[in-house]
Amino acid sequence: GDSVTQMEGPVTLSEEAFLTINCTYTATGYPSLFWYVQYPGEGLQLLLKATKADDKGSNKGFEATYRKETTSFHLEKGSVQVSDSAVYFCALSKNDTGGFKTIFGAGTRLFVKA
Amino acid sequence: GAVVSQHPSWVICKSGTSVKIECRSLDFQATTMFWYRQFPKQSLMLMATSNEGSKATYEQGVEKDKFLINHASLTLSTLTVTSAHPEDSSFYICSARRQLDQPQHFGDGTRLSIL
Repeated sequence: GDSVTQMEGPVTLSEEAFLTINCTYTATGYPSLFWYVQYPGEGLQLLLKATKADDKGSNKGFEATYRKETTSFHLEKGSVQVSDSAVYFCALSKNDTGGFKTIFGAGTRLFVKA
Repeated sequence: GAVVSQHPSWVICKSGTSVKIECRSLDFQATTMFWYRQFPKQSLMLMATSNEGSKATYEQGVEKDKFLINHASLTLSTLTVTSAHPEDSSFYICSARRQLDQPQHFGDGTRLSIL
């Protein structure tokens, strides 16, 4: 079945360090790919998305490129801040005979130290 | 931007009571709403999908009689946890989608604690 696998956390970085959170997916057809961020005690917020191969989603300094050849959608940021500390979820969405589904990865917790 | 409001944000109640959680799309009409459950330090588990005016579609293993979902209008869906017990304590998150090719927008979640 369809699935999303992302790197286990927690990831601990110092402020201004480079961030990469790996995400790979398994899916038939042509899913859309998303990164969501969850701050403590809150729901999820859409961070960025890509709807087709080679698309690059970007927002707030974060980027991810839809790589169909490697079935990946890695999240990157050049210089993290303390305020980026949160849990990041990679997700795919697709519509199939079973209806519309979003499948989430397990989440990666990021801690950024000052 | 699109906003989804979820209420209440936190509820504590006694075992055996029923609890209703509301999910509203504030600035768009949501043809589909989703209800998720999230255990501590884990990902979101989809409980059910509801389309306005029709019965919700529950995921395998989710008790329909335990978690009642109503999606009576394009801007409101409710989740009622009936006869709640301590094992129902969790973080419940709703999301809403305007139409098929649009992303989901999430509420801030409801932390439910059953004593």
